[in-house]
Amino acid sequence: DTGVSQDPRHKITKRGQNVTFRCDPISEHNRLYWYRQTLGQGPEFLTYFQNEAQLEKSRLLSDRFSAERPKGSFSTLEIQRTEQGDSAMYLCASSLMLGGEQYFGPGTRLTVT
Amino acid sequence: AQTVTQSQPEMSVQEAETVTLSCTYDTSESNYYLFWYKQPPSRQMILVIRQEAYKQQNATENRFSVNFQKAAKSFSLKISDSQLGDTAMYFCAFMKPNFGNEKLTFGTGTRLTIIP
Repeated sequence: DTGVSQDPRHKITKRGQNVTFRCDPISEHNRLYWYRQTLGQGPEFLTYFQNEAQLEKSRLLSDRFSAERPKGSFSTLEIQRTEQGDSAMYLCASSLMLGGEQYFGPGTRLTVT
Repeated sequence: AQTVTQSQPEMSVQEAETVTLSCTYDTSESNYYLFWYKQPPSRQMILVIRQEAYKQQNATENRFSVNFQKAAKSFSLKISDSQLGDTAMYFCAFMKPNFGNEKLTFGTGTRLTIIP
């Protein structure tokens, strides 16, 4: 069990550029979550996958955001035409069972200049 | 929708002392889980303790224990014999069990500093 990993750990981009983040959950976990955490706040839910199906998206997830989880393994979160307001820590978490603990990755810190 | 409130943005305590972090929540659900997560500086979030709402007994994990008051919708975390490694952001979180999305709703966190 190597835990949840995320790549990259840090990303600096210019406004208007596209960025993509990757999350590798714990291998047997079928549930995968993306959260966004801004400075001084707790994480906020963005989207949820059960296996390869994206079952719920927060209204925080504008149409510039898209997420995938092909074959129910790793997941990617893409932000198109980044804005300064997208600057945040993007956290990925995975879990296995009903009511199970969510294991978090180290996060990707995005800075949009 | 559920809300979680942590009214103490920052706290500090001397090493070896006991500290209590407060959390209140609002929900119309009767079955749910409550969690305390710890986020050390520049490190990933880890679970400290969890409580199922249907259990009357307060959860305990070594030096960490909770005071769960369901009627008052209160869920405080007590850290006994505090250690320097307890320095971190602590987040209280709510979850409604679901065969689908079990998203966590977090409070704004309490920054705890343990003073040597």
